[in-house]
Amino acid sequence: SQQGEEDPQALSIQEGENATMNCSYKTSINNLQWYRQNSGRGLVHLILIRSNEREKHSGRLRVTLDTSKKSSSLLITASRAADTASYFCATLNTGTASKLTFGTGTRLQVTL
Amino acid sequence: SQTIHQWPATLVQPVGSPLSLECTVEGTSNPNLYWYRQAAGRGLQLLFYSVGIGQISSEVPQNLSASRPQDRQFILSSKKLLLSDSGFYLCAWNPLGRDQYFGPGTRLLVL
Repeated sequence: SQQGEEDPQALSIQEGENATMNCSYKTSINNLQWYRQNSGRGLVHLILIRSNEREKHSGRLRVTLDTSKKSSSLLITASRAADTASYFCATLNTGTASKLTFGTGTRLQVTL
Repeated sequence: SQTIHQWPATLVQPVGSPLSLECTVEGTSNPNLYWYRQAAGRGLQLLFYSVGIGQISSEVPQNLSASRPQDRQFILSSKKLLLSDSGFYLCAWNPLGRDQYFGPGTRLLVL
């Protein structure tokens, strides 16, 4: 079953604005990962945050993790039209032999 | 560098026909391998994973099966396809505990 739930399901912003996507999960995790998927393509790994980390940055990406609330957020700053894609969170749960559980995704549309 | 291949890219099959999707990985040994299905506009559902040759774990009961005849080969099969088997099938591999690397996917349409 999909334990990760992203919100919003869809987000439309203008180029230059920031985009924030949230993810909630239910069980104990080893790490949480964010992936991007362009339409009809495979997923590309963006960033991984471990359960003992609270914040991580990679370029224009900022990820936070609150294990007490079982939630994470992905912030994309100064968005570009090329950021248009679906974004998924995935959790590596404790004791699950490297199986990831994916959320349902947020569809981001960045317009010019 | 590691590379993951999937084929075919697109497949249209009649109901009741057999299926064989292949995934191969290059540049690594003894990878964990995964098959996912993604329905249109939805998230990924893990179907099978394998930690070694001949070792297959099924996540959900279904009309599909998987096999791992070689270390870097993972095959998804069905004897008789159903309409509900339509979807986007993704193969992935990962170093233990880290991110997963996905193949380009196979889009299957069962008519």
